[in-house]
Amino acid sequence: AQKVTQAQTEISVVEKEDVTLDCVYETRDTTYYLFWYKQPPSGELVFLIRRNSFDEQNEISGRYSWNFQKSTSSFNFTITASQVVDSAVYFCALSEANYGGSQGNLIFGKGTKLSVKP
Amino acid sequence: DTGVSQNPRHKITKRGQNVTFRCDPISEHNRLYWYRQTLGQGPEFLTYFQNEAQLEKSRLLSDRFSAERPKGSFSTLEIQRTEQGDSAMYLCASSLYPGAASGANVLTFGAGSRLTVL
Repeated sequence: AQKVTQAQTEISVVEKEDVTLDCVYETRDTTYYLFWYKQPPSGELVFLIRRNSFDEQNEISGRYSWNFQKSTSSFNFTITASQVVDSAVYFCALSEANYGGSQGNLIFGKGTKLSVKP
Repeated sequence: DTGVSQNPRHKITKRGQNVTFRCDPISEHNRLYWYRQTLGQGPEFLTYFQNEAQLEKSRLLSDRFSAERPKGSFSTLEIQRTEQGDSAMYLCASSLYPGAASGANVLTFGAGSRLTVL
């Protein structure tokens, strides 16, 4: 069965601290995709990153970076020098590829609520 | 492009009543998805359409739920004989799926329709 686990329910940091959000996934497929979405208080999920299972290269985008390790089935997300605007719920999600493409079904974790205090 | 639009944003109803939510996707997107999110949980997949065809339905979608996308543009999600357990945020998302070789498509979410069943 497919599953995404975000063990950290809530994290609170002070502005400018670095913070890492953990994501562990389970899947039987060899081809799959991993995502991170941000849900600010307004409620609208915002896409951050997509990564396929064949690309284990870490990615950096500004203050955001992602560490994908197939050996531990993890796809962790780090925010460097956090800011108050980073306060949100962050979701990790898994999509399995089917018939050479992708199913419609994104499997989300329960999310990690990040609070960044000034 | 105004993004994914959902109406109404909030709906309060009494148990046993029927409710309908509407989703207007990004115009050039051929896929449309419905998810449900309860407090403290990640979104759960309900169903998705490719153009007007409903390709997949979750077992979460009971007989009281029906979704349509009659002309491959907007979609409606109807819940008949609402129960208190139906109280949740109903999220719509859309994506452009160009074909199986493209890999996982990125979903763009709307702000959601919050249902409260009294």
